[in-house]
This record gives sequence, structure tokens and C-alpha cells, in this order.
Amino acid sequence: AQSVTQLGSHVSVSEGALVLLRCNYSSSVPPYLFWYVQYPNQGLQLLLKYTTGATLVKGINGFEAEFKKSETSFHLTKPSAHMSDAAEYFCAVSGRIGGSYIPTFGRGTSLIVHP
Amino acid sequence: DGGITQSPKYLFRKEGQNVTLSCEQNLNHDAMYWYRQDPGQGLRLIYYSQIVNDFQKGDIAEGYSVSREKKESFPLTVTSAQKNPTAFYLCATTTGGANVLTFGAGSRLTVL
Repeated sequence: AQSVTQLGSHVSVSEGALVLLRCNYSSSVPPYLFWYVQYPNQGLQLLLKYTTGATLVKGINGFEAEFKKSETSFHLTKPSAHMSDAAEYFCAVSGRIGGSYIPTFGRGTSLIVHP
Repeated sequence: DGGITQSPKYLFRKEGQNVTLSCEQNLNHDAMYWYRQDPGQGLRLIYYSQIVNDFQKGDIAEGYSVSREKKESFPLTVTSAQKNPTAFYLCATTTGGANVLTFGAGSRLTVL
């Protein structure tokens, strides 16, 4: 079984401030981890992913995330928020279940950026 | 350009009517997925298909049906048995394994 918990349905920051979106996962197999972003009334786009290797992963638009196995976490950060970062963010885990990889998503965190 | 086309983007239907949402891809991806999105609940898996003529139920398959007669197409039918069908529906594909999902733009279904 696998699951994802995103702490905080809404996160509010000022423009230029640090962004931290939290994600914890559980998986009975080595996981692949992803962060996706969704703008209103659109599909999701990949921000970054962790499969194997380096635990600090850099993505698009200045975002990065660190895989911490001991904490079962994959938090998303960005040093300085921009107004255009306002969107819904989803953490996802994909582990091999039977013969297939089935992605499981968290409930999402809405990032609000104040001027 | 390769991508996923979902249609219609907006759909209004009366209670008790079946509706079919279209998902077409030209990415030559093997695996296709349907997710339902409701505010505050994230994405929940309805059905997925790894190969043509084969598909499996996801976490919330009741009241839905799918087919996979062609690699490019994975339509979703929302039947009258689905008690609360108003939602945003997302189709996604991947090349397989643990690869990244590519999403369509979604279809918003409103049942009046």
C-alpha cells in the first residue's frame, strides 16, 4: 500500500519569501516521488521527480525537493516566491504494485502569494 | 505537437443521463489513466489501462466504465449509477514503469 500526506491545504507567503510545501509518504516498496503543479482549470504539469541517486532534486521555476528516507518526506521548497507561483501543488508517489506502477496523489496544497 | 486531447472541456447533463468523456493521445504511450478531482480531495484514480483491450479498476470505479480498443483512445463513461458525478476529470498517460504522467487539460462535468 502507498499513500501521500500533504500538510496544510493552504500555504500563504509574501512575494520574495521562502516557500515550503510539506509532503510525507508511505510505501511498502522503494518509491518514486513527484511534485506536480496545477493552474486553474488546467491539467497537472511536472515540477520535479525523484527516482534514484541524488536525494536533492532540482526542478523547473527554481523549485527543489529533498528525499529523506528516514523521515519519509519529500518537501518542496523555493527560496523566493513569485506571484506567478500561485497555484495548486500535488505530491505523488509511485510504487510497483503487482506488475504495475500506480501513482497515488496527495490532497494538494494551494499556494497563495501576497504582494 | 504530441499531447493529450480531452473533450468536451465543459459538459452539463441532467441527473440519470450517461455521459462519455473523450481522451485521445498521440504520444504513443502505453498506459492511460482517468482521475477524478474534487476540491480538497486531490486526484483519485477511477480506471487505468496498461495495454490495449485491458484495463483495471482504481479506487473509485463504481458508477464508471471505460474501454481501450485502440492505443490512442481511452474514453470514460459516467453512468447514472454514479451518485455524485459533478467533478473535474483528468486523463493522463505515461510510457510505463514509474515514468512521469502527462495530463490532458481536463473535462468539467456538472450534473444539474
